[in-house]
Amino acid sequence: AQSVAQPEDQVNVAEGNPLTVKCTYSVSGNPYLFWYVQYPNRGLQFLLKYITGDNLVKGSYGFEAEFNKSQTSFHLKKPSALVSDSALYFCAVRDIGGSYIPTFGRGTSLIVHP
Amino acid sequence: DADVTQTPRNRITKTGKRIMLECSQTKGHDRMYWYRQDPGLGLRLIYYSFDVKDINKGEISDGYSVSRQAQAKFSLSLESAIPNQTALYFCATSDLHNTGELFFGEGSRLTVL
Repeated sequence: AQSVAQPEDQVNVAEGNPLTVKCTYSVSGNPYLFWYVQYPNRGLQFLLKYITGDNLVKGSYGFEAEFNKSQTSFHLKKPSALVSDSALYFCAVRDIGGSYIPTFGRGTSLIVHP
Repeated sequence: DADVTQTPRNRITKTGKRIMLECSQTKGHDRMYWYRQDPGLGLRLIYYSFDVKDINKGEISDGYSVSRQAQAKFSLSLESAIPNQTALYFCATSDLHNTGELFFGEGSRLTVL
């Protein structure tokens, strides 16, 4: 079985400050991990993924995520937040050896204040 | 033009009516999915299809049916809509040969009165 937890329903950060959106996962084997972003009235857009290799993954719009196997986490980060980063963020996981269907977290609403 | 197109984008209907949501894609992907999004519940998988002859139930398939008319088309039907099916519905695609990232349509907002 695979599962994802996003412990924060909402994250608030001031523009220019660093941001972190948390994600922890559970899989039987090794994970493929993904982050998606959803802007208001839009579909989800793929941001970045971890497959293997370097634990720090860089993605679109200046976002990055750090894979931590011992803590089973894949937190999304950005050094300097923009107001335009305000959106709903979803973490997803897929077990490499299991189903091809990813499991999504419940989403975290990021609000960046001017 | 969008790679994954959903129609209609918005629909208001009444309890008991039959509704079809359509999805077409130009990405050439084999795999297609229907998800439902509800506030606080994230995305839940309704049905998925790995090719034209393959249809599989997801975690919340009751009350829904699907049809994969062609590689590029995947429709979701509500045979007799009920108010708790009011939600935002997303179609998504993925490539057989990649690591599983999904490409989403813009969503279909359905309201059942």
